[in-house]
Amino acid sequence: RKEVEQDPGPFNVPEGATVAFNCTYSNSASQSFFWYRQDCRKEPKLLMSVYSSGNEDGRFTAQLNRASQYISLLIRDSKLSDSATYLCAVNSLGSSASKIIFGSGTRLSIRP
Amino acid sequence: GAVVSQHPSWVICKSGTSVKIECRSLDFQATTMFWYRQFPKQSLMLMATSNEGSKATYEQGVEKDKFLINHASLTLSTLTVTSAHPEDSSFYICRGGSSNEQFFGPGTRLTVL
Repeated sequence: RKEVEQDPGPFNVPEGATVAFNCTYSNSASQSFFWYRQDCRKEPKLLMSVYSSGNEDGRFTAQLNRASQYISLLIRDSKLSDSATYLCAVNSLGSSASKIIFGSGTRLSIRP
Repeated sequence: GAVVSQHPSWVICKSGTSVKIECRSLDFQATTMFWYRQFPKQSLMLMATSNEGSKATYEQGVEKDKFLINHASLTLSTLTVTSAHPEDSSFYICRGGSSNEQFFGPGTRLTVL
């Protein structure tokens, strides 16, 4: 089983829609969780860290469910500029907090 | 904020040649750098952890003699793909920073003919 798993998509939704991604992780001892955004042929950019209590940044909401070992990302009122690949990331077992493993990414395409 | 630069941004080479990729931390001291590889439409796969002044730690399945890592200073880590072959064509990207914040380099796109 992969350490971090995501639905690869693609998700194709109209502008203004709400879209949600889930990501599961296998290591129950993981402590740090993140969502990254990656545009085509570019490096990933940190979108937001995910905290136990859940956190929100504008149209983006991240949730962590430790019991079920998944994290989620909700995008409200989606914009054309949200089209990208969204990667979840989790810190690796027995390593420094800086060593993180990425999921395969979920492709999102927003249509006008 | 902290910036990580990477050079070259892209390279095309013949099969059998070696390619060196440099990753520099511009305004912080990088005791550790992480090297990833990404094939088209796939995720970033961690290859190795580069440690300043000591040997790199390689992930399972990554050949240390194939992918040579040198981290001789606090601002520079290098990855050399030795005797590159077409299957090594990929997007190579480094990541470094402090324990609080990490940054990716812009990546190097390697194409081996």
